[in-house]
Amino acid sequence: SAVISQKPSRDICQRGTSLTIQCQVDSQVTMMFWYRQQPGQSLTLIATANQGSEATYESGFVIDKFPISRPNLTFSTLTVSNMSPEDSSIYLCSVAPNSNQPQHFGDGTRLSIL
Amino acid sequence: QKEVEQDPGPLSVPEGAIVSLNCTYSNSAFQYFMWYRQYSRKGPELLMYTYSSGNKEDGRFTAQVDKSSKYISLFIRDSQPSDSATYLCAMSSRDDKIIFGKGTRLHILP
Repeated sequence: SAVISQKPSRDICQRGTSLTIQCQVDSQVTMMFWYRQQPGQSLTLIATANQGSEATYESGFVIDKFPISRPNLTFSTLTVSNMSPEDSSIYLCSVAPNSNQPQHFGDGTRLSIL
Repeated sequence: QKEVEQDPGPLSVPEGAIVSLNCTYSNSAFQYFMWYRQYSRKGPELLMYTYSSGNKEDGRFTAQVDKSSKYISLFIRDSQPSDSATYLCAMSSRDDKIIFGKGTRLHILP
């Protein structure tokens, strides 16, 4: 399966700032996704990162808060904007080679907001 | 009723025992089913996936799906301390949106 690298692996940020998380894959993939995993909760899909077009966001997530870029088939970024303590979570990137195939995950970015 | 229900545990079993992990679901549109293993401070790792009812075996792991009962299971034979992790069931209705269970924390006692 693809090797997925996420940066940073963790960060501690101040309230009101923004952080951009990078996801790099070692092979071209059609599908890239961003998830949030809060303590004691299941993974929640934030959005599907579409190459060459705007991301598709799930209910409860908006582009102004979580802008996403997907410039090519191996790279995507997620920005968490104007952060508040409620944004403290693990953010995970996942990929699938094609539609309707199982997804593989990076190790996540552990984000704490003070 | 939540779409996917999974007992969070923790589940503690002695080394060498057979482990049974289970999930129930309510959406009959789900068509493929997965199990992920997640170690502390790591991302979920795909263990098993299947598209049909019945059993699928891979080494010490067996995934079982019963679509009529909306019930899936993961069996681990000859459990090892290295199997200690959180196990997440997941399922999808072919729209690329995966619904995850909350995960079961498993401890294998040496």
